[in-house]
Amino acid sequence: EPEVTQTPSHQVTQMGQEVILRCVPISNHLYFYWYRQILGQKVEFLVSFYNNEISEKSEIFDDQFSVERPDGSNFTLKIRSTKLEDSAMYFCASTKIKDTEAFFGQGTRLTVV
Amino acid sequence: AQSVAQPEDQVNVAEGNPLTVKCTYSVSGNPYLFWYVQYPNRGLQFLLKYITGDNLVKGSYGFEAEFNKSQTSFHLKKPSALVSDSALYFCAVRAPSGNTPLVFGKGTRLSVIA
Repeated sequence: EPEVTQTPSHQVTQMGQEVILRCVPISNHLYFYWYRQILGQKVEFLVSFYNNEISEKSEIFDDQFSVERPDGSNFTLKIRSTKLEDSAMYFCASTKIKDTEAFFGQGTRLTVV
Repeated sequence: AQSVAQPEDQVNVAEGNPLTVKCTYSVSGNPYLFWYVQYPNRGLQFLLKYITGDNLVKGSYGFEAEFNKSQTSFHLKKPSALVSDSALYFCAVRAPSGNTPLVFGKGTRLSVIA
């Protein structure tokens, strides 16, 4: 069964450093998303991406965040200068078309120290 | 803007008993509704969805949910709970127009006791 894969599974970084979280969506999917889940809290939308551009973003997704689809398979989330409050589980998701369910990766646990 | 409410942080049920996890939503237009389950240290797994059609939808692992438009609810149910159903359950809604993202509830922790 096809799945969304994310690397790394856990990333520890120092405050102020840049991190790149990587995702390989399901190959025939067209819509891509990043969500995050701060420990013990709800899953929050960050950004959606379609046709090589951002289609929607939340207020969380400020100038320190960026997304890219550098080739035909990877979808990355970059956090330019990490803050302690960026510590969370980050989930990548993809959908084939907008009406279908999103498939989520296993997540990357980001710890900013 | 769309929103989801899961009024219970925790639901406890004895194995073999029926379970219900509650969800209400707010969205403009006809909603797309989803349930996801999260096991410890795992990602979100899709359980079932309502897009259109029958109000009672059946999903994975024997779960079902009933869409009630008048009550704006989409409660998750299972006739007979298993210990292995213990997990965190998220209800989510999406507006029907455009590429709108899923909006999740805060989650309900289900504990099935043997």
